[in-house]
Amino acid sequence: SQQGEEDPQALSIQEGENATMNCSYKTSINNLQWYRQNSGRGLVHLILIRSNEREKHSGRLRVTLDTSKKSSSLLITASRAADTASYFCATDAKNTDKLIFGTGTRLQVFP
Amino acid sequence: DAGVIQSPRHEVTEMGQEVTLRCKPISGHNSLFWYRQTMMRGLELLIYFNNNVPIDDSGMPEDRFSAKMPNASFSTLKIQPSEPRDSAVYFCASSSFWNSNQPQHFGDGTRLSIL
Repeated sequence: SQQGEEDPQALSIQEGENATMNCSYKTSINNLQWYRQNSGRGLVHLILIRSNEREKHSGRLRVTLDTSKKSSSLLITASRAADTASYFCATDAKNTDKLIFGTGTRLQVFP
Repeated sequence: DAGVIQSPRHEVTEMGQEVTLRCKPISGHNSLFWYRQTMMRGLELLIYFNNNVPIDDSGMPEDRFSAKMPNASFSTLKIQPSEPRDSAVYFCASSSFWNSNQPQHFGDGTRLSIL
């Protein structure tokens, strides 16, 4: 069963705009990870946030985690055409070490 | 540094044939994961290994699927006999440890088409 669901399924923006993607999950977690997948390629790890953290930054990426709402968001600031990709959240459950990936958000950034 | 290497990148074969997918993890990584990605079901974990030992194969869909890891630098995923519904992109990933707080490093996948 899927643990994470991303929202929206697809997002189209202009270069320079910010992109926000959301992830909701069902059970309590130890940590949550975000990955990017370019067309025809494998997933690339972006950032990991632990359950006791509320916000984390990496370059133009900002991730928040609200464990009370079982949700996370990924913000990409000042987007570029090269950010065009699918973005996935991945969660574990407290009693497993497996990652379960969400359904993904397809981001299109127009130049 | 070389990333996770998968071969072949593309495979087209007729149903009933045996298919073998190969993976070379990142050197020094102790954990290896096999995933399948389809439009309908998304990214599914099939099996994962820690120190060459299968830990959880509950995601393997049927007995037609088998995976081995004879040593730390090589793993195979075999489908015998193959069926059209096995068509998907199969990814291999490795991580330094099997704990879920470790990032996973993915290969570029094998796109499998069963006719």
